[in-house]
Amino acid sequence: EAGVAQSPRYKIIEKRQSVAFWCNPISGHATLYWYQQILGQGPKLLIQFQNNGVVDDSQLPKDRFSAERLKGVDSTLKIQPAKLEDSAVYLCASSFNNEQFFGPGTRLTVL
Amino acid sequence: GENVEQHPSTLSVQEGDSAVIKCTYSDSASNYFPWYKQELGKGPQLIIDIRSNVGEKKDQRIAVTLNKTAKHFSLHITETQPEDSAVYFCAANSGGGADGLTFGKGTHLIIQP
Repeated sequence: EAGVAQSPRYKIIEKRQSVAFWCNPISGHATLYWYQQILGQGPKLLIQFQNNGVVDDSQLPKDRFSAERLKGVDSTLKIQPAKLEDSAVYLCASSFNNEQFFGPGTRLTVL
Repeated sequence: GENVEQHPSTLSVQEGDSAVIKCTYSDSASNYFPWYKQELGKGPQLIIDIRSNVGEKKDQRIAVTLNKTAKHFSLHITETQPEDSAVYFCAANSGGGADGLTFGKGTHLIIQP
């Protein structure tokens, strides 16, 4: 069974630029999550989707972050404009029966 | 919201010895407690989990215990091997339909040969 796929794996941008990350969950998983992991810390939930609807986006900085999950499968997370403190690994996860499985993440560096 | 505390931040043990990592949580509505192993440059990997209706669960050299009254849960690794070296995270869900995880800050486990 294929795991959660994410791209790109690495991205370097300058502050105030825009960036987008893509995630393809495990086939059949209705729930999808985006987490932000700052170096040396545990992942922090940004947003949770159930099919193509948002379940929880309480920790998403909505002034600069947006996410969508059209057709209830793939998802994109966008940052516009990026700040230095957005440098982190962005992890996508999908779940079945509470068990969350993570992708390899996208490492973002904002200069 | 949920708050998860994890200790220790670093744990060094001799190969073959046991390792124990402890976590506490704050939200009594949490009912799912997974543990993840993260190696450098990779995403977290689910290694074991426990639900609130169970006190203990074991899978080969790994076991997890849960004390709902005290709101703490622990990971036990026996007969440690060099490949166990990694960062381990505990987590708790929020309960209800929004079940995103709140993670601890991680424990860097070092297995000394």
